[in-house]
Amino acid sequence: EDQVTQSPEALRLQEGESSSLNCSYTVSGLRGLFWYRQDPGKGPEFLFTLYSAGEEKEKERLKATLTKKESFLHITAPKPEDSATYLCAVQARAQGGSEKLVFGKGTKLTVNP
Amino acid sequence: NAGVTQTPKFQVLKTGQSMTLQCAQDMNHEYMSWYRQDPGMGLRLIHYSVGAGITDQGEVPNGYNVSRSTTEDFPLRLLSAAPSQTSVYFCASRTTAFGGANVLTFGAGSRLTVL
Repeated sequence: EDQVTQSPEALRLQEGESSSLNCSYTVSGLRGLFWYRQDPGKGPEFLFTLYSAGEEKEKERLKATLTKKESFLHITAPKPEDSATYLCAVQARAQGGSEKLVFGKGTKLTVNP
Repeated sequence: NAGVTQTPKFQVLKTGQSMTLQCAQDMNHEYMSWYRQDPGMGLRLIHYSVGAGITDQGEVPNGYNVSRSTTEDFPLRLLSAAPSQTSVYFCASRTTAFGGANVLTFGAGSRLTVL
C-alpha cells in the first residue's frame, strides 16, 4: 500500500534556528514528490516538485531534497512568517495506469520570535 | 486571475439535509478534484474529473456526487448529510497538458459541520 509519513508532527523553533522536516514514502512507481505549505484557514499552496533521487530545489529559506525513500525540507534561519503546516505528497502509479496523489498528515511548524 | 473559487466558506447542516459545494476555476484546467481534510489525517480524494462529462471516484466517494458539465465548474453534492461528513473540503485543479506543471492549485476551502 502506498504510504507517506511525515515527521515530526509538530516542530517549534526559535527565529534563526535551522532544522529539517522529513517525508518518508513507500509507493509503487514514484512519479513526483510535492511539498505544499498550508496556512490556517487556507488551502495548500505549492512549494516544490522533485522527480528523481538527488534532486534539490530552493526557494528563499527553504530547500527540498529527495532520496529513493524520503524527502527533506530544510529550513535555514527561519522567521515567524515561516510558521505553517507543511504537507508532503507523492504522485504514484494507480491501478489501470492512472495516477494518484497520496498526502502525508503534515508537519506543523511554529517559529517563535 | 481568481484561481480556484469555492463557496460557501462555512456551512452548518442537520443530519439528512442535502447541499452542494461549489467550485469554479478560471485557469482552463482540465483536471479538477475534491478533497476532504480531517484532523490527524492527510488530504483524501473524494472525486475527480479529467474533463467535461468525465468523472471518477477517489478514495472516499461514498455519500458524495459530482458532475462536470463545463470546464470551469465542478460542484460536490452531499445527498443526505451525516455527522461523519463534518470536515473541511478543498477543491483543486491542474492542467493535464503534456509538459505542463503537474501541480494542484487549491481553493481556500469550505468548512462543513453536520449536526
